Amino acid sequence: EIVLTQSPGTLSVSPGERATLSCRASQSVSSNSLAWYQQRPGQAPRLLFYTASTRTAGLPDRFSGSGSGTDFTLTISRLEPEDFAVYYCQHYGSSKTFGQGTKVEIK
Amino acid sequence: QVDLVESGGGVVQPGRSLRLSCATSGFTFSTYGMNWVRQAPGKGLESVAVIWYDGSDKYFADSVKGRFTISRDTSKNTLYLQMNSLRAEDTAVYYCARDREQWLRRGGPMDVWGQGTAVIVSS
Repeated sequence: EIVLTQSPGTLSVSPGERATLSCRASQSVSSNSLAWYQQRPGQAPRLLFYTASTRTAGLPDRFSGSGSGTDFTLTISRLEPEDFAVYYCQHYGSSKTFGQGTKVEIK
Repeated sequence: QVDLVESGGGVVQPGRSLRLSCATSGFTFSTYGMNWVRQAPGKGLESVAVIWYDGSDKYFADSVKGRFTISRDTSKNTLYLQMNSLRAEDTAVYYCARDREQWLRRGGPMDVWGQGTAVIVSS
């Protein structure tokens, strides 16, 4: 089973600044079967990206996903107040595993 | 409008059983793989169980294997999670979620989520 390690655990950023979140897999992720989710407090998760970089409908273009193999990145170019949340990466395929999450908090 | 509504959560003693339901609407239930994902208090997400669109295959996390079963009733557009031999560590909010793509014969990303139902295992 693929283990996903996200870093950092917490990212303190000021509104308007850039946030870069990392997700590293314990082995190569086939077909870039990696997704990113956002979870705001008290809400269900929301799918942001799949196949590492395919944006879901309506997602602002300040969000971008990239990477392949074992290293993946979620970038938020200019943080808006609604972007402060917890972000999870997920591998999907024969099994599904999540990373432990990165909390993006207001600095 | 696509919607998933979980029910069946509550407080249960260790060792007892509970069945969660997820009523779906707004899409062709029989063509999508479905999932149960849980989140313990203050913790991250854990994929608990997955069932393919036609029910022909299922996946369970090691933490629940042999204790939980997942099933679906196409006539009722409803997903179920039968949880037996419950433990304190099963305490969590349980989310129902839909795979993004139809007709998948493998796991996929999840694009529609319910609001969750809370399960508390305590004596």
